[in-house]
Amino acid sequence: DTGVSQDPRHKITKRGQNVTFRCDPISEHNRLYWYRQTLGQGPEFLTYFQNEAQLEKSRLLSDRFSAERPKGSFSTLEIQRTEQGDSAMYLCASTDRGSYNEQFFGPGTRLTVL
Amino acid sequence: GDSVTQMEGPVTLSEEAFLTINCTYTATGYPSLFWYVQYPGEGLQLLLKATKADDKGSNKGFEATYRKETTSFHLEKGSVQVSDSAVYFCALSGGAGSYQLTFGKGTKLSVIP
Repeated sequence: DTGVSQDPRHKITKRGQNVTFRCDPISEHNRLYWYRQTLGQGPEFLTYFQNEAQLEKSRLLSDRFSAERPKGSFSTLEIQRTEQGDSAMYLCASTDRGSYNEQFFGPGTRLTVL
Repeated sequence: GDSVTQMEGPVTLSEEAFLTINCTYTATGYPSLFWYVQYPGEGLQLLLKATKADDKGSNKGFEATYRKETTSFHLEKGSVQVSDSAVYFCALSGGAGSYQLTFGKGTKLSVIP
């Protein structure tokens, strides 16, 4: 049984650079979520896909952020022109339609913007 | 909008002590309620859930009851162990037809021998 995987686990970048993260959900899970977690806070919702369709985006998702799920399987989250305030843990989760929205989380990608 | 408020930490208990972590919520509609746990160096794991009023979720000796009248979902365990040391997050989903989880800020629990 493979859970949700994320790559890379850690990313250090300089301000102004672009970064891209990947999430592989549990196979056959049709819903995929991205969250952001800063130190001492709970995760905050960023965006959500059902299959390949991006159905909801948080106001936290500025126009520097873009997410895709091109074939309804893995997803990518890109941050353009990174800022120090983007430093956080980026979490991916997936769920099956019939599970009362029980979401399974990946280990996260920790982004540090210098 | 939806929100979750949980008791501030950190909480430090001796082994075998009784644990309560308070959680209250604000939501429209009929949300599902969850407790997630994050052990040191690991990802978020679902601990237990309840999907309707008066449901009791339980797992690994932890319990929480969905109380609609008090909009609460307090986490309890009768006898904590050192291995229970972690950060605990209360969360809700689906209060207004949305699908994302709304989390509390988390409560760090440390259990000392």
